[in-house]
Amino acid sequence: QSALTQPPSASGSPGQSVTISCTGTSSDVGGYNLVSWFQQHPGTAPKFLIYGVNKRPSGVPDRFSGSKSGNTASLTVSGLQAEDEADYYCSSFAGSIYVFGTGTKVTVL
Amino acid sequence: EVQLVESGGGLVQPGGSLRLSCVVSEFTFSHYWMSWVRQAPGMGPEWVANIKEDGSDKYYMNSVRGRFTISRDNAKNSLFLQMNSLRVDDTAVYYCARAVNHGWDYWGRGTLVTVSS
Repeated sequence: QSALTQPPSASGSPGQSVTISCTGTSSDVGGYNLVSWFQQHPGTAPKFLIYGVNKRPSGVPDRFSGSKSGNTASLTVSGLQAEDEADYYCSSFAGSIYVFGTGTKVTVL
Repeated sequence: EVQLVESGGGLVQPGGSLRLSCVVSEFTFSHYWMSWVRQAPGMGPEWVANIKEDGSDKYYMNSVRGRFTISRDNAKNSLFLQMNSLRVDDTAVYYCARAVNHGWDYWGRGTLVTVSS
């Protein structure tokens, strides 16, 4: 199973928005509404941001939103803050297994 | 506060074995699927294996199927990963994580497995 494709980097100034894509196939992203997103700061475990394409776990700010079209899912971070600088990973159910994305490093300028 | 604490990592030669453990607290362990997720140095996370609440169903990524075995002891709030025939490319931090809604909401701090001669 191949990793989902994400852009290596993205950036924005404080207060702006940044959108990260996550491209898979009809066997994973396109086949199920079961895409999750994670934020990871250096040296720490990933943090759960989004599940089911566009749902936020309790405690996650509504600045984080998810969507999907066809085989591509997206995460949008609105109102960028300094603490949003981190690596972001998508994951998708792929029929009894799970696949992660290649990761996107978000820089807050 | 929910906690997951992994142990059992270390340095092992190619072809060797290790058994990872994860002890959890502050949630009803037997009510949740659990997972092992690994992350090689400088790389993204990689799902390794899942186990159903009662241990009756288990799923593995292709590259570890037949070499790794996930198991659990609900009486001891513990999750395990038996890793045999280890390869250099199994080197990673191994995280224990609670599975919910096809994602993972709580993670341990991880335990480092290094496979090298």
